[in-house]
Amino acid sequence: AQKVTQAQTEISVVEKEDVTLDCVYETRDTTYYLFWYKQPPSGELVFLIRRNSFDEQNEISGRYSWNFQKSTSSFNFTITASQVVDSAVYFCALSEAGGGADGLTFGKGTHLIIQP
Amino acid sequence: DARVTQTPRHKVTEMGQEVTMRCQPILGHNTVFWYRQTMMQGLELLAYFRNRAPLDDSGMPKDRFSAEMPDATLATLKIQPSEPRDSAVYFCASGRSGGVGQETQYFGPGTRLLVL
Repeated sequence: AQKVTQAQTEISVVEKEDVTLDCVYETRDTTYYLFWYKQPPSGELVFLIRRNSFDEQNEISGRYSWNFQKSTSSFNFTITASQVVDSAVYFCALSEAGGGADGLTFGKGTHLIIQP
Repeated sequence: DARVTQTPRHKVTEMGQEVTMRCQPILGHNTVFWYRQTMMQGLELLAYFRNRAPLDDSGMPKDRFSAEMPDATLATLKIQPSEPRDSAVYFCASGRSGGVGQETQYFGPGTRLLVL
């Protein structure tokens, strides 16, 4: 069965610090997809990134970067120079087939607090 | 800017009453998902449809929950009778399966349900 573990329940940092959110996954499939979603205080779930199991290249989007390592079954998310607006709950998720056309298994989420 | 819409956004009801939640997926998306978010269980998949056909409802309590997709622009989730333990945020998400890079799930704003 698939599983996603986000061991960090809550992280609090001061604005402008860098912060890394950890995500470890378990799956028996060789083809799978990993996702990160952001849930700000308003409650909606905002898609951030999708990565398939055959693409281990790291990705950078502005202040956000993702490190995918199949050897350690991890898909970590780093925010550089954090800002107060980054405060949210961040979810890592896994889909084993269909690249998200089938249901997502979510981690419990990491509550990120950026203090001014 | 295409978005998934959900109604109602908030619902307060008494135990035993019927609750119906509605979702309009993004135009062109052929897969619709229902998720539930609670503090204790986190985000859980309840059911999903592809091309309006139900594919998996194993996450749904069968005795009181039902999900349908009367047409391509409307998905419904019904609870009858409702119980206090059904209090949660119910999210609808849509995606488009069948092609590379088209499988990301986009979430609606959610229906916050409180059963008294």
